[in-house]
Amino acid sequence: DGGITQSPKYLFRKEGQNVTLSCEQNLNHDAMYWYRQDPGQGLRLIYYSQIVNDFQKGDIAEGYSVSREKKESFPLTVTSAQKNPTAFYLCARTPLTRPGDYGYTFGSGTRLTVV
Amino acid sequence: AQSVAQPEDQVNVAEGNPLTVKCTYSVSGNPYLFWYVQYPNRGLQFLLKYITGDNLVKGSYGFEAEFNKSQTSFHLKKPSALVSDSALYFCAVRALNSGNTPLVFGKGTRLSVIA
Repeated sequence: DGGITQSPKYLFRKEGQNVTLSCEQNLNHDAMYWYRQDPGQGLRLIYYSQIVNDFQKGDIAEGYSVSREKKESFPLTVTSAQKNPTAFYLCARTPLTRPGDYGYTFGSGTRLTVV
Repeated sequence: AQSVAQPEDQVNVAEGNPLTVKCTYSVSGNPYLFWYVQYPNRGLQFLLKYITGDNLVKGSYGFEAEFNKSQTSFHLKKPSALVSDSALYFCAVRALNSGNTPLVFGKGTRLSVIA
């Protein structure tokens, strides 16, 4: 899994429900990211975190929340305020030292569907 | 601001023929450039990167990319396409001296290799 694990693989949400997507990494990397992927729109950044207890909004943060209570975990909550949550969600990690040298390593994704 | 353009949504090529997937970028200063590949319902996998040095970069699975600073391009190439190369390809960029700003991804190009 490249040292980064997303769960569950598939998730179904009812209208008005909050759901949480898990992302765990075991390589002690500082930076973690959440992207949303929709057909034809590429990857759009939701939130990212470079240090424990700190995170920054990306381009499409509305309707989402995150926490970074420990280095290895960066869960994403899709709240009821997100009106169109059906998408493929990807988590990524990278070491902060020379991040460009390593790029990102991605998890295998969670496909969220509203039912 | 950083941006990436992948001008083709879809590229079709016959097996055994050379392939090119185009990418142009915009950053302030020198870029870090990456190519990733995505198979259905999976995360993105790293193919290759350009940081500095030789303009022709070799990566995984026989792929290579040519950095052209004057044309701000980083096209992905392979001399002989395989059916198994069929996938979604993403180009990504960040500025070399932009601190730890996240990668910006293009919208992706779907490559279809026909037997």
